[in-house]
Amino acid sequence: SQQGEEDPQALSIQEGENATMNCSYKTSINNLQWYRQNSGRGLVHLILIRSNEREKHSGRLRVTLDTSKKSSSLLITASRAADTASYFCATQAGTALIFGKGTTLSVSS
Amino acid sequence: DTEVTQTPKHLVMGMTNKKSLKCEQHMGHRAMYWYKQKAKKPPELMFVYSYEKLSINESVPSRFSPECPNSSLLNLHLHALQPEDSALYLCASSQDPAGTEAFFGQGTRLTVV
Repeated sequence: SQQGEEDPQALSIQEGENATMNCSYKTSINNLQWYRQNSGRGLVHLILIRSNEREKHSGRLRVTLDTSKKSSSLLITASRAADTASYFCATQAGTALIFGKGTTLSVSS
Repeated sequence: DTEVTQTPKHLVMGMTNKKSLKCEQHMGHRAMYWYKQKAKKPPELMFVYSYEKLSINESVPSRFSPECPNSSLLNLHLHALQPEDSALYLCASSQDPAGTEAFFGQGTRLTVV
């Protein structure tokens, strides 16, 4: 039961450019999280933003949350080839952590 | 130790076999999750254990049977699977069932023949 919808589905950029991914969801949430996945293996947690927060930063990552629009965005600044991966938003309501469809990011050097 | 360990990494099983996937964490986390992921798709939540009790079963067929023997271990028992059950099975854990980051294992790549 996917709740999050991300766009774009795929994004190709050059090294040094910024990448922005968006996530929309449908129901009330406790928090929204972003994860990264390389090569179809385990997911790595990037950042968590709580429902009462509007913006959060972690290194080159900036996440915003607009609960009135039920949407979030992830900005990766000064991208690197190593940022190439699939990125998923995940919404948490109660004990359920539900993933969106994901954005595949390709960064070329 | 911030790892979630899943075994085996790969599993090939026939439709009449019974097998188990195992997941272990030693971070003292009180929530553990099973997800199923098909190629180029997001992880789909299957089960959530909160304080060793099953709190969510996302309408998963009974041929998948979860078990949480203690706070560090999570098993997924498989029986009479179908080829369409072939997927990457991911285990995760989080400290607080209601709102902290989840740590994922590397998954078990399951092929049903």
